[in-house]
Amino acid sequence: NAGVTQTPKFRVLKTGQSMTLLCAQDMNHEYMYWYRQDPGMGLRLIHYSVGEGTTAKGEVPDGYNVSRLKKQNFLLGLESAAPSQTSVYFCASSVFGQGLAGGRSYNEQFFGPGTRLTVL
Amino acid sequence: AQRVTQPEKLLSVFKGAPVELKCNYSYSGSPELFWYVQYSRQRLQLLLRHISRESIKGFTADLNKGETSFHLKKPFAQEEDSAMYYCALSGGSGSARQLTFGSGTQLTVLP
Repeated sequence: NAGVTQTPKFRVLKTGQSMTLLCAQDMNHEYMYWYRQDPGMGLRLIHYSVGEGTTAKGEVPDGYNVSRLKKQNFLLGLESAAPSQTSVYFCASSVFGQGLAGGRSYNEQFFGPGTRLTVL
Repeated sequence: AQRVTQPEKLLSVFKGAPVELKCNYSYSGSPELFWYVQYSRQRLQLLLRHISRESIKGFTADLNKGETSFHLKKPFAQEEDSAMYYCALSGGSGSARQLTFGSGTQLTVLP
């Protein structure tokens, strides 16, 4: 059980180049998320998916596209990379579970190891 | 709109001293609060969820709805506690409960 994996771990791009980041999870989770992590700003949600074939915008979606063709995979694409997209990208997945207080559900997210992207 | 504020970007304490990482939130409904930890060059992992009322690695956090806070506490800090800590809030209904993260607090425990 590998959990959440991300490919690649590191990448350097030139402005205007394109690339795709791959996230895979083997926990049969319905929900998947892409975040970017920047110093002093925490994690910000880029896009998310509530199931195969569905995607939705998060807080900072501009410049990114996503696809969820298979339940276990969530792809993040940069069509024309810009230096402002230099960041560490984290993928996460989640499943609803029952909490300990009155059966209330909670949303615990499981994270991948991250992809460090530099755009020159 | 939901918002999470962690006022301290950096926090240093000596080994054996108490530590408190502050987290305040803004949310109109009933939130679910979490603390995530990221050790150096590792992935984020869940440390605590308020709903469980648990103690993990000696850390506890109590949700104070009156003060809209969810501070993380440990009575005796250890060097291995040095890490980045993120407070996160999950709120709202709908098909996906998104997490809103604070900006994080880098904790350094000095020997």
